[in-house]
Amino acid sequence: GQSLEQPSEVTAVEGAIVQINCTYQTSGFYGLSWYQQHDGGAPTFLSYNALDGLEETGRFSSFLSRSDSYGYLLLQELQMKDSASYFCAVRDQRGGATNKLIFGTGTLLAVQP
Amino acid sequence: NAGVMQNPRHLVRRRGQEARLRCSPMKGHSHVYWYRQLPEEGLKFMVYLQKENIIDESGMPKERFSAEFPKEGPSILRIQQVVRGDSAAYFCASSPRTGEDTQYFGPGTRLTVL
Repeated sequence: GQSLEQPSEVTAVEGAIVQINCTYQTSGFYGLSWYQQHDGGAPTFLSYNALDGLEETGRFSSFLSRSDSYGYLLLQELQMKDSASYFCAVRDQRGGATNKLIFGTGTLLAVQP
Repeated sequence: NAGVMQNPRHLVRRRGQEARLRCSPMKGHSHVYWYRQLPEEGLKFMVYLQKENIIDESGMPKERFSAEFPKEGPSILRIQQVVRGDSAAYFCASSPRTGEDTQYFGPGTRLTVL
């Protein structure tokens, strides 16, 4: 089956750096995406890694190691507004319908003053 | 360019009633996906549609649930004879093409079944 595992909760202070890990088991793999969700609102796309290495977008970076089936989201200079749930996701390849996303269990990030 | 629109945002139904959830994808997007999220859980795929076609409904319960995306108008997720276990947030997402790894989500419809 397909599964993605994340830590359930992470706590950090304003200005700090935090890393949210994601390990995955999939029958096929295109790439790893990250989404942010505030208080049950609309999930918002953050980043996507198809190749190994680090992708940087402002304060957020995402890393992928295909050989280790592992990725992480790195948030720098944390702000209170970064408090949210973060989900990793992969595109499901089973059955020929390759567009549905399989989401991880989600990590609730709490940023403290 | 308006984002993905969903309505209603909140829906309350009594057991046995029908719930209709609507989703208008982003302009230019012809692929629609429905996901369900239970409290404190991740999003679970339900169904993937293109205009007038259901492409993948592997995540949708076989009974009481149906979805459509007509040639004109929004996509509809219909739940008949709702039960308390149907209470959840239902999110719609859209993408412009197949093989797209980025999906754009709507604000969701929070269904409460009394």
